[in-house]
Amino acid sequence: KAGVTQTPRYLIKTRGQQVTLSCSPISGHRSVSWYQQTPGQGLQFLFEYFSETQRNKGNFPGRFSGRQFSNSRSEMNVSTLELGDSALYLCASSLRFGASYEQYFGPGTRLTVT
Amino acid sequence: KQEVTQIPAALSVPEGENLVLNCSFTDSAIYNLQWFRQDPGKGLTSLLLIQSSQREQTSGRLNASLDKSSGRSTLYIAASQPGDSATYLCAVRPINTDKLIFGTGTRLQVFP
Repeated sequence: KAGVTQTPRYLIKTRGQQVTLSCSPISGHRSVSWYQQTPGQGLQFLFEYFSETQRNKGNFPGRFSGRQFSNSRSEMNVSTLELGDSALYLCASSLRFGASYEQYFGPGTRLTVT
Repeated sequence: KQEVTQIPAALSVPEGENLVLNCSFTDSAIYNLQWFRQDPGKGLTSLLLIQSSQREQTSGRLNASLDKSSGRSTLYIAASQPGDSATYLCAVRPINTDKLIFGTGTRLQVFP
């Protein structure tokens, strides 16, 4: 069974631009979570989607948004990019929404903002 | 607010040593605790998942323990190998939320 896939793997953007990252969960998984990893702040939760609805949200500004499609694939969007948005963005999928379901992580998208 | 701390931040050991990585958390109201491995520039690989009702989990040379009342978990790696070199992260799943709260990680280097 294929794992979680994320595209693109690497991305370079300029300050002020916007970016869209994509995540395809493991087949049959319906919940997708997004995390940001930076050297200074470590791994921080962005948001979680289940059945096309955002179920949980971390402490990030409104420039960070996401959505989930009917096939469970998810996208996250960052508008008006800032230098501090440079990070590894990780996506994780799980069978269902809820703490009892283990999350499986993808390889991440490395975003560099110049 | 749940906070997760990992000590030490970095560790360098010769091949063959047994070693212990520590993870502490401030709120014992957790659903489970998970240990991950992360290679440079890569995603997270789950190593062990311990439910709150369990005391330990084992997988090969890895053994993780959980003492929920004291807010501590340890990851024991037996007979370390250069291939074990990576960053090890622990994460807790609080009962009142479904998100994972991560520690800052321990960067391990095992030299031949």
